[in-house]
Amino acid sequence: ETGVTQSPTHLIKTRGQQVTLRCSSQSGHNTVSWYQQALGQGPQFIFQYYREEENGRGNFPPRFSGLQFPNYSSELNVNALELDDSALYLCASSRDRGNTIYFGEGSWLTVV
Amino acid sequence: AQRVTQPEKLLSVFKGAPVELKCNYSYSGSPELFWYVQYSRQRLQLLLRHISRESIKGFTADLNKGETSFHLKKPFAQEEDSAMYYCALLSNFGNEKLTFGTGTRLTIIP
Repeated sequence: ETGVTQSPTHLIKTRGQQVTLRCSSQSGHNTVSWYQQALGQGPQFIFQYYREEENGRGNFPPRFSGLQFPNYSSELNVNALELDDSALYLCASSRDRGNTIYFGEGSWLTVV
Repeated sequence: AQRVTQPEKLLSVFKGAPVELKCNYSYSGSPELFWYVQYSRQRLQLLLRHISRESIKGFTADLNKGETSFHLKKPFAQEEDSAMYYCALLSNFGNEKLTFGTGTRLTIIP
């Protein structure tokens, strides 16, 4: 099985800009979730996609949006970047409910 | 609201000594709990889940609903156990949302 892969691994953006992060889920996985992990904190749930539909959202503003594609890969978009958006963004995938959730290595975003 | 608390940010233990990483949770439903581990320069990976009741790398964790705890234990620490450990709770209302604690960094002293 191929694992969860994310791109880019690191990027730096300026406050007010927009960013797109990408995730290829593990083969056969139809559920993708995104998490934000700030320094010194545990991952925080942003939202989840199941078969291309949003299936739950955490306490994040609407400028955080996402997509899931027919091949189950996914994108996280963040508009109007703020300094506090600087964090590690993790993608996680699983095959239906109740199965093991696998994480990617993450994308480090720095907003300056 | 669901919440996971890991009271220790840092824990240092001598090699060969017992290890216990504490985790307490708050959840209105029937909890499904996990321990995730992140070794240096590696991705977050599942260590164990309470429903499987198995021992992975010598670690065990028992769900105590009375004390709302899911502490991670190992009788004899090894140097390769040094890592960041996260306790997590899975929501069973609709989506598969994991709520994580803030993590405990375990350091095994040789």
